[in-house]
Amino acid sequence: DTAVSQTPKYLVTQMGNDKSIKCEQNLGHDTMYWYKQDSKKFLKIMFSYNNKELIINETVPNRFSPKSPDKAHLNLHINSLELGDSAVYFCASSPGAGGGYGYTFGSGTRLTVV
Amino acid sequence: QQQVKQSPQSLIVQKGGISIINCAYENTAFDYFPWYQQFPGKGPALLIAIRPDVSEKKEGRFTISFNKSAKQFSLHIMDSQPGDSATYFCAALNYGGSQGNLIFGKGTKLSVKP
Repeated sequence: DTAVSQTPKYLVTQMGNDKSIKCEQNLGHDTMYWYKQDSKKFLKIMFSYNNKELIINETVPNRFSPKSPDKAHLNLHINSLELGDSAVYFCASSPGAGGGYGYTFGSGTRLTVV
Repeated sequence: QQQVKQSPQSLIVQKGGISIINCAYENTAFDYFPWYQQFPGKGPALLIAIRPDVSEKKEGRFTISFNKSAKQFSLHIMDSQPGDSATYFCAALNYGGSQGNLIFGKGTKLSVKP
């Protein structure tokens, strides 16, 4: 049973479109995250979300917006997609607001903007 | 400003050899230092982690060495195997911090030759 699951695994779309990536965790964790991995494999935090508190990395464009319907889900919405948004996006979760131990990552969503 | 610097970028080791990956950090508030292993098409998975109150932690063939005064830590993989071929990321976390977001190094691609 997958701990952190993301859908879709692959997403190809045109510039200017709006798309969403879904994430669900069944670990009972309190905090969820979105990370972006660029073509050079660099992993960078985009958002963390805990008990309805959203912490945004200041470098993330406001075209990106996380939405959490409940503690087990954190979806990522992207408006007006740009070529530079092409990357692999990872959802992760951890036990508590302080980060806790053992971040668990999903298997990623490879977004390609053409 | 990159808070966690990782080297080398890539590493080739013969089967049975020792793989060594080094990381240095700047923020003295970091108090949790994990290593993640990532296979192609998969998300990062926690491999081993250390807190700064110990200088070494060993789990099977994997050992973390930690030098608090130098603000450096390293991963040693003994008796490296082809199945260890993956990208390895060091990371750091301010566990007691309000955000608690993992900050990653840029990764090391390890290839173990049979």
